[in-house]
Amino acid sequence: EVHLVESGGDLVQPGRSLRLSCKTSGFIFGDYAMSWFRQAPGKGLEWVGLIRSKGYGGASEIAASVKGRFSISRDDSKSIAYLQMNSLKSEDTAVYYCARDILTGYYRVDFWGQGTLVTVSS
Amino acid sequence: DIQMTQSPSSLSASIGDRVTITCRASQGISNYLAWFQQKPGKAPKSLIFDASSLQSGVPSKFSGNGSGTDFTLTISSLQPEDFATYYCQQYNGYPITFGQGTRLEIK
Repeated sequence: EVHLVESGGDLVQPGRSLRLSCKTSGFIFGDYAMSWFRQAPGKGLEWVGLIRSKGYGGASEIAASVKGRFSISRDDSKSIAYLQMNSLKSEDTAVYYCARDILTGYYRVDFWGQGTLVTVSS
Repeated sequence: DIQMTQSPSSLSASIGDRVTITCRASQGISNYLAWFQQKPGKAPKSLIFDASSLQSGVPSKFSGNGSGTDFTLTISSLQPEDFATYYCQQYNGYPITFGQGTRLEIK
């Protein structure tokens, strides 16, 4: 059974950094791309970025709203995807979800984690 | 960026009803359209991909249709567990974008 579990969410001050983890199980992690999404309180879903599998080059795509501040990486030996968040702003306050992507023409999400809350406030 | 517009933003319906939610893309996205269900305080759940293909384990009461710019999600015979917020999402290109959501409430 596919499982994705996010961790690392916390209350942090503006300008600080935070790294989220997405621990996975139930599938061959190295074969899949992984995505991050977020949802601000009371708002809709927003795509943050994606990292391809190493078999497809391992490159990432990042949303313009966080480009230059956020980055995505992966450790296939541990089956974990990471979201590194630097220079955090109050508008980054959200529940962050990781998701597994399956490639059928284009990458699409099939499984989601339960989310982890990041609060940016002084 | 491709803008996704859902209608209605909210919808009241009764148990047993059949409802349809519409999603329109600002430009053609072929059939690269997904639908997700989200209940309060929970993670989204994948329902439909490629506009009309049912995710494994999702009941056939959910159906999707459309191609190009206009898409629909239909839910038949509404049950209490179906009342949630529904989002469409295009994955034809980056950035991936979502509709604003449709909140389905019990009448």
